[in-house]
Amino acid sequence: AQSVAQPEDQVNVAEGNPLTVKCTYSVSGNPYLFWYVQYPNRGLQFLLKYITGDNLVKGSYGFEAEFNKSQTSFHLKKPSALVSDSALYFCAVRVGQAGTALIFGKGTTLSVSS
Amino acid sequence: SAVISQKPSRDICQRGTSLTIQCQVDSQVTMMFWYRQQPGQSLTLIATANQGSEATYESGFVIDKFPISRPNLTFSTLTVSNMSPEDSSIYLCSVDEGTSTGELFFGEGSRLTVL
Repeated sequence: AQSVAQPEDQVNVAEGNPLTVKCTYSVSGNPYLFWYVQYPNRGLQFLLKYITGDNLVKGSYGFEAEFNKSQTSFHLKKPSALVSDSALYFCAVRVGQAGTALIFGKGTTLSVSS
Repeated sequence: SAVISQKPSRDICQRGTSLTIQCQVDSQVTMMFWYRQQPGQSLTLIATANQGSEATYESGFVIDKFPISRPNLTFSTLTVSNMSPEDSSIYLCSVDEGTSTGELFFGEGSRLTVL
């Protein structure tokens, strides 16, 4: 069965420091991987995706993610955190053709302090 | 990306009643999905809303409890029937615009509180 794991419930970083939010996946085929962000009382916003090609993908708001096939990971990163990055982050995976739903991890709360 | 509008954005409901959530998209989309996000939890897929046919439900979700309509390519409704406090959640409509990569886009969600 396909699954996504986010091992950290919460990540705390100081503003200006680099941040990493971890994600590992378990799928039977080639994964399509996604990161979403949810601000309080809002829906989910798409950040970035890995489909194929370069292992380092860049997305919105300065975020990037590194796909590592051998470690089955897709960690979200940002070189310099902002207080406004504080939110709930979800990793998601899809296997198979477009038109199938995404499977989400449990989410990681990112807290950036000033 | 498509603009997705959900109504109501939030509501407080009494036990035993039913509520219908509407999802309107500003463009025709191939696939629409309904997710539930229980307090402090991740998103769980309820069903795929199929245009012109019955929805496809995930394990643990049944049509009698969560009837779904999809009359056209821009609109869907989810009804939460005979509500109990355990149904207190955020219900999210999402769409697949038909790109080859299949990222989903989400509405703002409907936050239901059942008393």
